[in-house]
Amino acid sequence: LAKTTQPISMDSYEGQEVNITCSHNNIATNDYITWYQQFPSQGPRFIIQGYKTKVTNEVASLFIPADRKSSTLSLPRVSLSDTAVYYCLVEKGYSTLTFGKGTMLLVSP
Amino acid sequence: EADIYQTPRYLVIGTGKKITLECSQTMGHDKMYWYQQDPGMELHLIHYSYGVNSTEKGDLSSESTVSRIRTEHFPLTLESARPSHTSQYLCASSSPGQGMSKNIQYFGAGTRLSVL
Repeated sequence: LAKTTQPISMDSYEGQEVNITCSHNNIATNDYITWYQQFPSQGPRFIIQGYKTKVTNEVASLFIPADRKSSTLSLPRVSLSDTAVYYCLVEKGYSTLTFGKGTMLLVSP
Repeated sequence: EADIYQTPRYLVIGTGKKITLECSQTMGHDKMYWYQQDPGMELHLIHYSYGVNSTEKGDLSSESTVSRIRTEHFPLTLESARPSHTSQYLCASSSPGQGMSKNIQYFGAGTRLSVL
């Protein structure tokens, strides 16, 4: 399983763009990069998934450089409700997932 | 929105009792999972299933057992609950995915178990 490293915590203010970077130096050719969000006392929720370059949906963008050894989750104009733990996962399709510690994002007024 | 349901949401029970945590999904997903998570801590995979009659142990050893008699149902059982079993239990399901969507897991709301 590819191991990931991401910051333990980040602070931001409402309206700012937040970028959370995840390192995955030993990513394999068939691995996908997936981000989940988890609020307290709830299960994680899928945010975005990508393989290379850039992926954007209504919630976030995911930037993946050509070497794929890192990825950056970008949350535009965060609000207080974006306060949560964000997990970066690197796994092959249809395998078990290892969630790790994630990044605790705290958004302040 | 994913359709995966866990009951009960909260359970307070005495030591030695047998309990079953229910998990059902209506998406027809083959693969299902149980995770254990203490407050502020990592999720740990304790059981998973590839499909009917398939059960596997996860990364974290657990005294619980699971069964998969129907595709949509994946209950977790503790034969004799102990205070060390106090935790949140999260159920999830996934399908192989199509195109660029690979192995996206959909989670239930969880069961918070307290054993006194």
